[in-house]
Amino acid sequence: GESVGLHLPTLSVQEGDNSIINCAYSNSASDYFIWYKQESGKGPQFIIDIRSNMDKRQGQRVTVLLNKTVKHLSLQIAATQPGDSAVYFCAENIGNQGGKLIFGQGTELSVKP
Amino acid sequence: DAGITQSPRYKITETGRQVTLMCHQTWSHSYMFWYRQDLGHGLRLIYYSAAADITDKGEVPDGYVVSRSKTENFPLTLESATRSQTSVYFCASSEFLAGAQETQYFGPGTRLLVL
Repeated sequence: GESVGLHLPTLSVQEGDNSIINCAYSNSASDYFIWYKQESGKGPQFIIDIRSNMDKRQGQRVTVLLNKTVKHLSLQIAATQPGDSAVYFCAENIGNQGGKLIFGQGTELSVKP
Repeated sequence: DAGITQSPRYKITETGRQVTLMCHQTWSHSYMFWYRQDLGHGLRLIYYSAAADITDKGEVPDGYVVSRSKTENFPLTLESATRSQTSVYFCASSEFLAGAQETQYFGPGTRLLVL
């Protein structure tokens, strides 16, 4: 079936370390992937996206890697800061389903000072 | 910029009452979406709209009604609220450009409590 899942529900890292959040997806027709950050009491905030014709995309302190062979997506955060503490969701867009996103359950990132 | 706004931000109502949650976006995005977020379920799509006067069901549409008479507004109505509809509701919008879906941007959410 269609699903987007996360390997780890919680992740605790030391400030300054790099963080890696993983996500698995099951639909090979998915052509667009997005990472969102959600802080407590707020709506999901766009972090970075990647299309299926790419393997890697970099932003400011964040990198998304896409491995279509094993249907795996990861978000890397460099030099993690306390302000990065939040829940991170991956989402996939299946190309023929009119813009709908399928969201994973989320990973809570906790940054220890 | 205003982006996407939701009102009210907090709402308490009683079982059986009708409630309307408002969503307004200033980007003229074609697509708009309503999600609910509950512990243990993540974000679940209720309804979405590809353009004015075009709406379609998502994963959990029962008990909800939507309309889209104008591109910028996408109200969600709970016709007869139930306790199970206590949740945080998020509206989102996105565009479809050059044959590709673009990112969905979310509003701040409405926290609804049904007593």
